[in-house]
Amino acid sequence: AQSVTQLGSHVSVSEGALVLLRCNYSSSVPPYLFWYVQYPNQGLQLLLKYTSAATLVKGINGFEAEFKKSETSFHLTKPSAHMSDAAEYFCAVSPNYGGSQGNLIFGKGTKLSVKP
Amino acid sequence: EAGVVQSPRYKIIEKKQPVAFWCNPISGHNTLYWYLQNLGQGPELLIRYENEEAVDDSQLPKDRFSAERLKGVDSTLKIQPAELGDSAVYLCASSLETSSETQYFGPGTRLLVL
Repeated sequence: AQSVTQLGSHVSVSEGALVLLRCNYSSSVPPYLFWYVQYPNQGLQLLLKYTSAATLVKGINGFEAEFKKSETSFHLTKPSAHMSDAAEYFCAVSPNYGGSQGNLIFGKGTKLSVKP
Repeated sequence: EAGVVQSPRYKIIEKKQPVAFWCNPISGHNTLYWYLQNLGQGPELLIRYENEEAVDDSQLPKDRFSAERLKGVDSTLKIQPAELGDSAVYLCASSLETSSETQYFGPGTRLLVL
């Protein structure tokens, strides 16, 4: 079964510092991979997705992620944190074959805090 | 373009009472999903519809949970009877099709069972 592990339930950075949120997946076949952001009392918003095209994926709000098959990783980065980036971030995997194709399997999330 | 609409946004009920949540997906989106999000966790899929057909309900606790999408547009998720452990956020999402299509999420219904 596919699964997602997000290292660090809480990450704190200073404004202007690099943001690095880690995500590793478990799958025998490279799946589709997603990063979503959730602000308090709101639904999830897609940041970016990998669907077997370019391994470096650029998303909204200056975020990007790199698919590394050898490391089964899909870490999310942003060069310079902004106060408005404070939120919870979820990595998700979706099988690209079979009856579960399209179903999202989420990690437990990483809460990002940004200090002034 | 209107997003995914869910109602109510908040619901407080006593245990053993029934409760229902409603979702209206983005116009033209054939696939609809219901997710359960417990506090401090990521969402977990309950059921997926393609048009009016429930194509994956393997994670839906069928003894107390039911869902319908009669005309292939809006959907209702019901719990009867509710238990204390059902307190969570219930999220609805929709996409054009399945596969790699982006899922768009509604704001969720926050349920508290007392």
